[in-house]
Amino acid sequence: QKEVEQNSGPLSVPEGAIASLNCTYSDRVSQSFFWYRQYSGKSPELIMSIYSNGDKEDGRFTAQLNKASQYVSLLIRDSQPSDSATYLCAVSDMDSNYQLIWGAGTKLIIKP
Amino acid sequence: GAVVSQHPSRVICKSGTSVKIECRSLDFQATTMFWYRQFPKKSLMLMATSNEGSKATYEQGVEKDKFLINHASLTLSTLTVTSAHPEDSSFYICSAAGTGSPYEQYFGPGTRLTVT
Repeated sequence: QKEVEQNSGPLSVPEGAIASLNCTYSDRVSQSFFWYRQYSGKSPELIMSIYSNGDKEDGRFTAQLNKASQYVSLLIRDSQPSDSATYLCAVSDMDSNYQLIWGAGTKLIIKP
Repeated sequence: GAVVSQHPSRVICKSGTSVKIECRSLDFQATTMFWYRQFPKKSLMLMATSNEGSKATYEQGVEKDKFLINHASLTLSTLTVTSAHPEDSSFYICSAAGTGSPYEQYFGPGTRLTVT
């Protein structure tokens, strides 16, 4: 069974520090990788997508992908209290009709 | 870009009635739309996947006669919860993906359904 694994947390990080969120996936042929942010009671919001090995930076966010290790991570620099949310890792299911395989999410708490 | 709307945002209905939820992609053509359900403090659960003009594909355990999905155009999909019961009370969320990045899903704001 295809799986995406995330530490459920909560991960507590002081304001201004770097938050590091990790995700591993089981399907070696996956090609597309996404990070979504979900605030409590709201729907998920796409914050990063990554398709190639290496780093991809967008503002305070950096996604890192290592396909050999089947590992994808999200770094949030200069963490702000508004970054407190659940972060969902999602991986393309190449055998499906464009479905994603979802991790259960990591709850991030930024402490002022 | 990539905005998805959902209506209504909140609905309360009586047991036994039907409720229709609309999902629209506002600034792109959505070749594939997805319907999810999420219970409090739980993970997203995919209910069904639909392509424009085709019948929806339902996940195992999701009753297709209870959760009717219509994807009539490249910008509109609807989910009708028929004969709703209190256990159907949940947060229903749609997402849409376009042709440019077919795996990149953009979510609507969700519909909170309460069945009394």
